[in-house]
Amino acid sequence: GAVVSQHPSWVICKSGTSVKIECRSLDFQATTMFWYRQFPKQSLMLMATSNEGSKATYEQGVEKDKFLINHASLTLSTLTVTSAHPEDSSFYICSARDLGDSGNTIYFGEGSWLTVV
Amino acid sequence: KNEVEQSPQNLTAQEGEFITINCSYSVGISALHWLQQHPGGGIVSLFMLSSGKKKHGRLIATINIQEKHSSLHITASHPRDSAVYICAVTGNQFYFGTGTSLTVIP
Repeated sequence: GAVVSQHPSWVICKSGTSVKIECRSLDFQATTMFWYRQFPKQSLMLMATSNEGSKATYEQGVEKDKFLINHASLTLSTLTVTSAHPEDSSFYICSARDLGDSGNTIYFGEGSWLTVV
Repeated sequence: KNEVEQSPQNLTAQEGEFITINCSYSVGISALHWLQQHPGGGIVSLFMLSSGKKKHGRLIATINIQEKHSSLHITASHPRDSAVYICAVTGNQFYFGTGTSLTVIP
């Protein structure tokens, strides 16, 4: 079946540095990818919708200059957390919409644990 | 008020029991998703529904569009079913339920 791969699965970075998380659709094309954040014992929170070849649409309260999203191809979207702070430590998940399935099937990546020290 | 409400929030069952998790939503949707999240965080999409009923192994998902309600059933539950089950709806945007934490005891 369709697979969405995220990399890295775990990352630790120092405060003030930037970290990039990749989201790839491995066997389907996805013009739309979604980025979520999840705090411990809380539900997923949609951060932004990433459309291939155009600017991402950010949800209210999400800083677009801090969470840079690039969707340069039909199979790859990246989330860059810039000038990371400890409060950015969280679980980040991406999902992708499969065009070939009426555009409604969503596949999730395995997630990326970010710890900022 | 959340656009998607799930119940119960927590559920403990004995192995073999029949389990039902409910999801109600208040927005117009094009599809409803049932997701399973294991302790490591990874999420698996179990079902995507827009009407009726779907079955996969011991899992059954139903949706009533008129009542804006969906249920996820697990028959003959097993400890490996222990996870958080999340209901999500898609329309103009995504809305997520807060999840149901299921623990199945041997």
